[in-house]
Amino acid sequence: NAGVTQTPKFQVLKTGQSMTLQCAQDMNHEYMSWYRQDPGMGLRLIHYSVGAGITDQGEVPNGYNVSRSTTEDFPLRLLSAAPSQTSVYFCASSYYVGQPQHFGDGTRLSIL
Amino acid sequence: KNEVEQSPQNLTAQEGEFITINCSYSVGISALHWLQQHPGGGIVSLFMLSSGKKKHGRLIATINIQEKHSSLHITASHPRDSAVYICAVSTGGFKTIFGAGTRLFVKA
Repeated sequence: NAGVTQTPKFQVLKTGQSMTLQCAQDMNHEYMSWYRQDPGMGLRLIHYSVGAGITDQGEVPNGYNVSRSTTEDFPLRLLSAAPSQTSVYFCASSYYVGQPQHFGDGTRLSIL
Repeated sequence: KNEVEQSPQNLTAQEGEFITINCSYSVGISALHWLQQHPGGGIVSLFMLSSGKKKHGRLIATINIQEKHSSLHITASHPRDSAVYICAVSTGGFKTIFGAGTRLFVKA
C-alpha cells in the first residue's frame, strides 16, 4: 500500500501565485487533514474533512481552500501565496478523528 | 501558554542510555499520542494511549490522567533513535493539539 501520498515534495512560488498541493490515501480513511509545521511550533491544523463532501476549518485556515470530492483525495489550494505561508505542509489521514494518523512525507514550500 | 508542553526541547544522549521525554497538557483529552519525526521529515505514530502504559520494543509510554502528564521512555538508546519526538492530544473534537517536539540526538 502507498499510504498517504503528497505531491510535490518541494515548491518555490512567487508572492501572489496560486497552487494546489495534492494528497491521496488508499486506506479508505474517512478523516483527512492538512497541517503546517513551522520552526519551534507544533503542527497546526489548517483544514480537515470527516468524509467526502464534508470539510471544515482548523486553527489557521486563512489563505487556504480545500475540497473533498472523493474519499481518497484531499487537495489544499493556496489562493494567493504570501511569504507567511512558507512552511512544511503535511497531509494526514485516519479511520476516524482521534485515531492514530498516517502522514504523508510533507511538502516544503517557499514563497519569495 | 501552549496547551501541550514538552520537555526537554533538545536532548543529547550517549548510546545505551535510558531516555525520558516528558509531555504535560492543560486540556481535557480523549487520548494522547506519541509520534516520531525522522531526520528526513516523515512522521509516524508510535503510541496512542488513554490510560496506563504501553510498550513496543525499547519504547515505553506512560500516562497519568490525574496529573495531565505523559512520558516516553527509550531503553538502551541507539543512534537510529535520533529523531524529533512529538506529543499530541486528541480533545474529543475534530482536532489534535501537537507539542513543539523534543529533538533527540544519540551519540555512538
